[in-house]
Amino acid sequence: DVKVTQSSRYLVKRTGEKVFLECVQDMDHENMFWYRQDPGLGLRLIYFSYDVKMKEKGDIPEGYSVSREKKERFSLILESASTNQTSMYLCASSLFMDRGWNEQFFGPGTRLTVL
Amino acid sequence: AQSVTQPDIHITVSEGASLELRCNYSYGATPYLFWYVQSPGQGLQLLLKYFSGDTLVQGIKGFEAEFKRSQSSFNLRKPSVHWSDAAEYFCAVGTLNTNAGKSTFGDGTTLTVKP
Repeated sequence: DVKVTQSSRYLVKRTGEKVFLECVQDMDHENMFWYRQDPGLGLRLIYFSYDVKMKEKGDIPEGYSVSREKKERFSLILESASTNQTSMYLCASSLFMDRGWNEQFFGPGTRLTVL
Repeated sequence: AQSVTQPDIHITVSEGASLELRCNYSYGATPYLFWYVQSPGQGLQLLLKYFSGDTLVQGIKGFEAEFKRSQSSFNLRKPSVHWSDAAEYFCAVGTLNTNAGKSTFGDGTTLTVKP
């Protein structure tokens, strides 16, 4: 089974702190994604990566950056956390399929609270 | 750009009753369609997917979905709901993107099961 793990299930940080959310997948997937999930807003894509050191902005990249130094690991960085970044963060990975057959495998999520 | 609409934010059904969750998509080409389920406090899990071929697809946990091109719909069904089916359900459409298998998600439908 594909396994996607996230470094923390719950995280509490203070406004202005630098926050790192880590995601690791064990199935050699090319694609990795970071979403945030808020009630009534569904899943919104923050960033995705299709290869090591390659990244593209999603729909809501402002206030976030990412890093992918190794294929299995994709980090989400909040440079200066703000209260409006309190949310559930979901990481996902998928195998590269140039015809779009691209089901995603999700981690359990990190619930981040910024005080 | 593709989009997904789940018209029902919240549905309540009695245990043992049938279920249908609606999903409408907008996409200019042949869509790649998915249904995911999210149990409370968990990440998303793939229920089923449509790529091509038979328009009625079977998934895990007794779910099925039917692709109807003329109606741009991909509704999820289950003949008899169990209490453990209470969760949030997301419909998604995948893109034909050679850089990454991005998906666009609907806002989700929360299913409550009455005893």
